[in-house]
Amino acid sequence: NAGVTQTPKFQVLKTGQSMTLQCAQDMNHNSMYWYRQDPGMGLRLIYYSASEGTTDKGEVPNGYNVSRLNKREFSLRLESAAPSQTSVYFCASRLFRDSDTQYFGPGTRLTVL
Amino acid sequence: SQQGEEDPQALSIQEGENATMNCSYKTSINNLQWYRQNSGRGLVHLILIRSNEREKHSGRLRVTLDTSKKSSSLLITASRAADTASYFCATVPRESSSNTGKLIFGQGTTLQVKP
Repeated sequence: NAGVTQTPKFQVLKTGQSMTLQCAQDMNHNSMYWYRQDPGMGLRLIYYSASEGTTDKGEVPNGYNVSRLNKREFSLRLESAAPSQTSVYFCASRLFRDSDTQYFGPGTRLTVL
Repeated sequence: SQQGEEDPQALSIQEGENATMNCSYKTSINNLQWYRQNSGRGLVHLILIRSNEREKHSGRLRVTLDTSKKSSSLLITASRAADTASYFCATVPRESSSNTGKLIFGQGTTLQVKP
């Protein structure tokens, strides 16, 4: 089991460029989440998918879109990147109704110039 | 906005000593969890304590929860250099549907254990 995987690990964008961060889990989990982590801060929820076929906004959704492609994959898209989106992005998953424990990927470090 | 505030922000101790971190939160919760993050890595779940529990143990970890004060503490006993990491508390607010599993994180405590 690879757990939660994220690609790419690092990315540098110019302001206005777009990109998609990929996340996949092989644990047959129902719920998936995207967070961002800024220096000296905890994680803030961007979007989540409580189950396949549903997505909802979290605390900081502006400037992002998501797609729950299937049960395994949950992608995060930046349509027009801004320097304020420079951050480390984490994907996580949770087994629906089993517990609230989340399993995290290794993160994507994104810099927007 | 962040649900939790953690105290201290940074802690430096010698190997073998105990480390205590505190977390305060604002709203009623279903449960509170602690996660560890090694430098440059993702978060790893350590322990979950439910709102009707007051204390929980897991190996060298001891977590307490005081819902009347809206606070929790994480104690790591007999610390090791490998415990060097950032530690985050995270809450599941009571008003959240159990279907979503949304977590609200504190800002974290950075622990350094010197060999």
